[in-house]
Amino acid sequence: DAKTTQPTSMDCAEGRAANLPCNHSTISGNEYVYWYRQIHSQGPQYIIHGLKNNETNEMASLIITEDRKSSTLILPHATLRDTAVYYCIVRVSSNTGKLIFGQGTTLQVKP
Amino acid sequence: DADVTQTPRNRITKTGKRIMLECSQTKGHDRMYWYRQDPGLGLRLIYYSFDVKDINKGEISDGYSVSRQAQAKFSLSLESAIPNQTALYFCATSDSDRGVAYNEQFFGPGTRLTVL
Repeated sequence: DAKTTQPTSMDCAEGRAANLPCNHSTISGNEYVYWYRQIHSQGPQYIIHGLKNNETNEMASLIITEDRKSSTLILPHATLRDTAVYYCIVRVSSNTGKLIFGQGTTLQVKP
Repeated sequence: DADVTQTPRNRITKTGKRIMLECSQTKGHDRMYWYRQDPGLGLRLIYYSFDVKDINKGEISDGYSVSRQAQAKFSLSLESAIPNQTALYFCATSDSDRGVAYNEQFFGPGTRLTVL
């Protein structure tokens, strides 16, 4: 599975969009990009995933660059409850089901 | 997620003791996982199971063993606990019927284990 690089921490004002970048320059053609978040010592929560097209669900949007070497998770209207560690994970679409978590980005949403 | 439960939620034990952490799920998922998390770090996979008769090692299986007693139950054992196994332990489940690309894992609330 490809390695990912994320900023260690970011701040965002409440009500504004939070844009969390992830670099995965060694991604291969059959690897998906997944995003999870972990709110203070709780179990991680799935947010979204994508292969090459942009994706949107009720929680967030995922923008993947055309060369697929980077992506951005967008929380359109961040709230204080979105304060968490956000993990970008790249893995092969296979039957292994394994997730490899890095250190993630700590997003602090401020009033 | 209340559909995935872990017991105990907190445990303090001594070096050399045998400890079992239990995980139960009511989601009907076939796949179950055990992760550990150390302070300030991401989660690391210990073991995973795709079915009752299937057990696979993850990144850091040394010092741990698992048992998949039923589809809904997956337990993690530390045969002889040591202080560097002090960590937060998470169980997770996923559903293989969702397709190979879809890997939403549902996590339990975690067990905080301290080995003195």
